[in-house]
Amino acid sequence: GAVVSQHPSWVICKSGTSVKIECRSLDFQATTMFWYRQFPKQSLMLMATSNEGSKATYEQGVEKDKFLINHASLTLSTLTVTSAHPEDSSFYICSARGSGDSYEQYFGPGTRLTVT
Amino acid sequence: GQNIDQPTEMTATEGAIVQINCTYQTSGFNGLFWYQQHAGEAPTFLSYNVLDGLEEKGRFSSFLSRSKGYSYLLLKELQMKDSASYLCAVIDSNYQLIWGAGTKLIIKP
Repeated sequence: GAVVSQHPSWVICKSGTSVKIECRSLDFQATTMFWYRQFPKQSLMLMATSNEGSKATYEQGVEKDKFLINHASLTLSTLTVTSAHPEDSSFYICSARGSGDSYEQYFGPGTRLTVT
Repeated sequence: GQNIDQPTEMTATEGAIVQINCTYQTSGFNGLFWYQQHAGEAPTFLSYNVLDGLEEKGRFSSFLSRSKGYSYLLLKELQMKDSASYLCAVIDSNYQLIWGAGTKLIIKP
């Protein structure tokens, strides 16, 4: 159980375009979802936390108008990178947490974004 | 501020034992996770400690001392596939997960 999927697994886009990444909890209801970014050989960096039906909480330094997060249902959250630039190329990982007492986060497989 | 320290890199030999340490200073404590992350992949859950002591799970064990702000992950009978980064993460008083930078473990034959 506790499977999280992400789509697409990799994407290449041109500078200036927007890219949407989907994160789905397949067998549980995710009241909270997290979006991380990871540059090569660096640790995970939390970008934002989203609770179903409410606005996402962004970490300091993350532009909310550039990284649009929508958590419209208990099984789906989306991250849209708007007007992407080469410096946005990174590994984007989502995770989800259920409504129980466990604080474990279940990670999706990640999406590798390359902006040319 | 909140801080989690782990060694950046460790090297060990196949078949041996390695201990990866993690020390933390956080605003409150509600548990500590260890995750394994292979290059280019997302992290996978290894263990969760909230009480002091040792939790054993197969070849992997995790230890916690809350009074010392200290944990370690012990890997026995190392295999080549154990080459990965190992991430320590602490849940603080706001139930936020604070991540360490990870320890890259290199296994040599």
